[in-house]
Amino acid sequence: AQKITQTQPGMFVQEKEAVTLDCTYDTSDQSYGLFWYKQPSSGEMIFLIYQGSYDEQNATEGRYSLNFQKARKSANLVISASQLGDSAMYFCAMQGGGADGLTFGKGTHLIIQP
Amino acid sequence: SQTIHQWPATLVQPVGSPLSLECTVEGTSNPNLYWYRQAAGRGLQLLFYSVGIGQISSEVPQNLSASRPQDRQFILSSKKLLLSDSGFYLCAWGDTYEQYFGPGTRLTVT
Repeated sequence: AQKITQTQPGMFVQEKEAVTLDCTYDTSDQSYGLFWYKQPSSGEMIFLIYQGSYDEQNATEGRYSLNFQKARKSANLVISASQLGDSAMYFCAMQGGGADGLTFGKGTHLIIQP
Repeated sequence: SQTIHQWPATLVQPVGSPLSLECTVEGTSNPNLYWYRQAAGRGLQLLFYSVGIGQISSEVPQNLSASRPQDRQFILSSKKLLLSDSGFYLCAWGDTYEQYFGPGTRLTVT
């Protein structure tokens, strides 16, 4: 069975500061993928970034980067130069091999303050 | 590019009534399709997934069922809704390296 743990229920961050959202995972699969999604108050789930378990380099997408530490089973999301529009719920998720669906964490509510 | 549609956007139904939520995908063939439910203030829970027409895998025993009558159509149903079926229902398409979500249906069972 797969498990995702997000230990920060809520975070307050000053605008323009960098933000690190924590995510640890547990799986017995050798091959797996890690995802981060943003969910604003409108409810839509917006894909941010993906990291494969065999990828040697950390994934980056614009202001988003994933700090992947495989030995620690950690996949933290880093948002550089935070903006007011970054305020939202953030979910970490993982997928085993094949067509499996995603297993989600409980999320972190990020609030960016001016 | 791929687009995923869900309807209705919101729904209020009495306990014991039937349910039918529809999801369609454009711009891709033979996608893997998924239904998730999000209870208030919680993460998403996988309900069903499908790798092809007529092929449905259930992840959680419950009051719901799913069908895939066409390649790009995925339907979530119930014969009799329970109060505990309230939530935000999201359809997604994807494969091993990606999964994209539709806009969701917010269901309130009264």
